Formats: sequence, C-alpha cells, structure tokens
Amino acid sequence: SQQGEEDPQALSIQEGENATMNCSYKTSINNLQWYRQNSGRGLVHLILIRSNEREKHSGRLRVTLDTSKKSSSLLITASRAADTASYFCGNSGGSNYKLTFGKGTLLTVNP
Amino acid sequence: KAGVTQTPRYLIKTRGQQVTLSCSPISGHRSVSWYQQTPGQGLQFLFEYFSETQRNKGNFPGRFSGRQFSNSRSEMNVSTLELGDSALYLCASSLAGRQDLDEQFFGPGTRLTVL
Repeated sequence: SQQGEEDPQALSIQEGENATMNCSYKTSINNLQWYRQNSGRGLVHLILIRSNEREKHSGRLRVTLDTSKKSSSLLITASRAADTASYFCGNSGGSNYKLTFGKGTLLTVNP
Repeated sequence: KAGVTQTPRYLIKTRGQQVTLSCSPISGHRSVSWYQQTPGQGLQFLFEYFSETQRNKGNFPGRFSGRQFSNSRSEMNVSTLELGDSALYLCASSLAGRQDLDEQFFGPGTRLTVL
C-alpha cells in the first residue's frame, strides 16, 4: 500500500507562528499533492510537487520533497486563524495513477 | 463554473438497506473519483470513473459499486448497509483524469449515518 502518514496528527499554534506538517509514504511516487479540509467539508487542493522537484512555493505555503527519505513537508508561514483545518498529503505512484491519502494533520491556529 | 455538487448532503439509513449517492462534476471534467472518510481509517479511495468506465478501484467489498453516465455524472451505490459504512463520502472530479497530475476538485460530501 502507498498510504502515506501525516505527522503530527494534531498541531496547535498561535496566530503569526509558522506551522510545519510532514508526510511520509512507502513506495516510489510520481508526485505528491497537499490538500486542506475545513471541518466536515470537501478537500481543497493546495499544491502539487512532482517527483523530480525538491521545493515549491505558493503564497505562504512552502512544500519540500525528499524522495530519498520518502517524505514531504508543508510549511505555512505567518499562520492565521483561517488556516485552521486538516491537511492531507496524497501520493501516487506506479501505473494506476490513483491518489492515496494519509489520515491528515489537524492544525489549530489560535487567535 | 459551478463546483462539484453531491446529493443528498445528509442521509440516515438502517442496517440492511441500500443507498445511492449522486455526484455532478464540474462541467467538462470527465474523471470522477469517490472516497470514504472515517475518523478511524481516514480518507480511502473507493473507485474512479473516466468516460463511463471504471478505471481504478480501491479495496472495498462488492457491496460498494458505482457508475458514470455519458454526461459524466456519477452515482455510487452501497447495498446491505452495515454500521461501519457510516462515513463522509466525497466525490472529486478532474479535467483529464490523471489523479497524479490533475488537481482534484472535491464536492462537499454526503454524510451517511447507518443506524
């Protein structure tokens, strides 16, 4: 199974601080995507990083990928209360291209 | 463009019944995927349809089935419901159908409760 694992399971920080979440996966991947989910709602795509990329930025988001360690990290800088959500990484590999998600990191940003 | 819509949003059923959930993808999207989300198991892939054909399937029993129509709308059916089927069922659509390349657009989900 390629199911990934997000770490930590839960993270609580103060507004303005940075938040770092990690994701590990088991087999080689084609690429990896990060999604956000507000409580009980659908997921929203944040960023996609390809297996040949090491770092990618989008606004306050920075994603890194280390294929040798089979891990990725999502950094949210200058967090806001509105960033409170669960964050998931989805990875895909092999020939069937389907995305496999971990159980997510619940981020709480306290105002 | 309208987003992915799922109906119904909430559903309560009893054990042994069957249920059909519906998903309308974003206009022009041909790939529809279904996921089951529970607190214990997280987000698990059910199946993916592309141009009316099931292209990928997760590790779920045969009680879970789906189909896609020519207008790309998709339905999933769960027969002989069990308590453990209580979950948030999410549908996602994408443009070209490569889950690893395309951004997945998720609907708000259908919350199924089995009593």
